[in-house]
Amino acid sequence: AQTVTQSQPEMSVQEAETVTLSCTYDTSESDYYLFWYKQPPSRQMILVIRQEAYKQQNATENRFSVNFQKAAKSFSLKISDSQLGDAAMYFCAYRRTTGNMLTFGGGTRLMVKP
Amino acid sequence: GAGVSQSPRYKVAKRGQDVALRCDPISGHVSLFWYQQALGQGPEFLTYFQNEAQLDKSGLPSDRFFAERPEGSVSTLKIQRTQQEDSAVYLCASSLAWGQLSNQPQHFGDGTRLSIL
Repeated sequence: AQTVTQSQPEMSVQEAETVTLSCTYDTSESDYYLFWYKQPPSRQMILVIRQEAYKQQNATENRFSVNFQKAAKSFSLKISDSQLGDAAMYFCAYRRTTGNMLTFGGGTRLMVKP
Repeated sequence: GAGVSQSPRYKVAKRGQDVALRCDPISGHVSLFWYQQALGQGPEFLTYFQNEAQLDKSGLPSDRFFAERPEGSVSTLKIQRTQQEDSAVYLCASSLAWGQLSNQPQHFGDGTRLSIL
């Protein structure tokens, strides 16, 4: 079975600075997808960024980028120029290429200080 | 509608009562998922539909949980004889397709917060 681990329950960053959230996963599959979701207090899970495991190039979406280390099974999220609106729970998630369900980590609460 | 709609947003029930949670997916989305999110934890998969067919129910915690999607659009998650450990946020998600197009993202609703007294 696949597992996803987020070792940082809480992180704090100063507005306009950069923060990195960690995620590791365990799988025997060679091809899969990885995701970062943001969950504000409204509870809706919002897709931030996704990475296909067969792609060596790290995904980027504006201020959000990932550091995907396939051999180490590591998938960290970097948020640059942090904004107050970035404050939320962040969840790392895994999905098999041929599967459907998402397997989530336990989440990291990100606080942004003005 | 523009997004996944879930109702009610909050539900309080006494232990032993039956509850029904509704999910209205994005129009045209073939796949529909239910997840359970306990307080302070990540969501956990419950069940998956492709159109009206329930293809995976491996995450349902007990036979008190039942989900249906009779016409391939709206889905209902029913919990019978509720217990305190059923208290959680129940999230519904939909996606456009599956299989070869499984890189399609899942779009989530705002969830239903269920509290069992």
